[in-house]
Amino acid sequence: AQSVAQPEDQVNVAEGNPLTVKCTYSVSGNPYLFWYVQYPNRGLQFLLKYITGDNLVKGSYGFEAEFNKSQTSFHLKKPSALVSDSALYFCAVRDANTGKLIFGQGTTLQVKP
Amino acid sequence: GAGVSQSPSNKVTEKGKDVELRCDPISGHTALYWYRQRLGQGLEFLIYFQGNSAPDKSGLPSDRFSAERTGESVSTLTIQRTQQEDSAVYLCASSFVGSYNEQFFGPGTRLTVL
Repeated sequence: AQSVAQPEDQVNVAEGNPLTVKCTYSVSGNPYLFWYVQYPNRGLQFLLKYITGDNLVKGSYGFEAEFNKSQTSFHLKKPSALVSDSALYFCAVRDANTGKLIFGQGTTLQVKP
Repeated sequence: GAGVSQSPSNKVTEKGKDVELRCDPISGHTALYWYRQRLGQGLEFLIYFQGNSAPDKSGLPSDRFSAERTGESVSTLTIQRTQQEDSAVYLCASSFVGSYNEQFFGPGTRLTVL
């Protein structure tokens, strides 16, 4: 069965510092991996995806993610955090048969001034 | 262009009543998904529509839940005889066909069952 794990319920960083939100996955076959962000009382916004190719994927709002096949990880990163980055972040893997997304439990990112 | 829209944005109902939630996908997106997000939890897949194919209903939690889609447009999710545990945010998403295509989510309908 395919699954996604986000081991941290919350990540706290100071504004201007680099941030990492962790994600590991378990799939059979090639992984199609996604990161979404959810701001309070709003739907999910797509940040970036890994399908194939370069292991470092660049996305919206200065975010990037590193795909590591040997560690089955897809960690979200940003070189310099902003207070406005504070939100709930979800990692997801796409089911190859149905296309449905299988989500992690989410990680709350808190960036303090 | 217009994104995915959902209505109502909020719905408060009494236990035992039926509710109907609506989703308007992005024009041209043949795939449509419903997810449920309970407070403090991740998203659970409910149902998937792809063109004229039979929908994938594997995520529906009980036979009180059903959904329909008219062609490649509007979808409605119906919950009959609502229970308090049905309280959640119901999110709709649409996409082009293909596992590599990202899904675009609507703002959700917050359902509260009293």
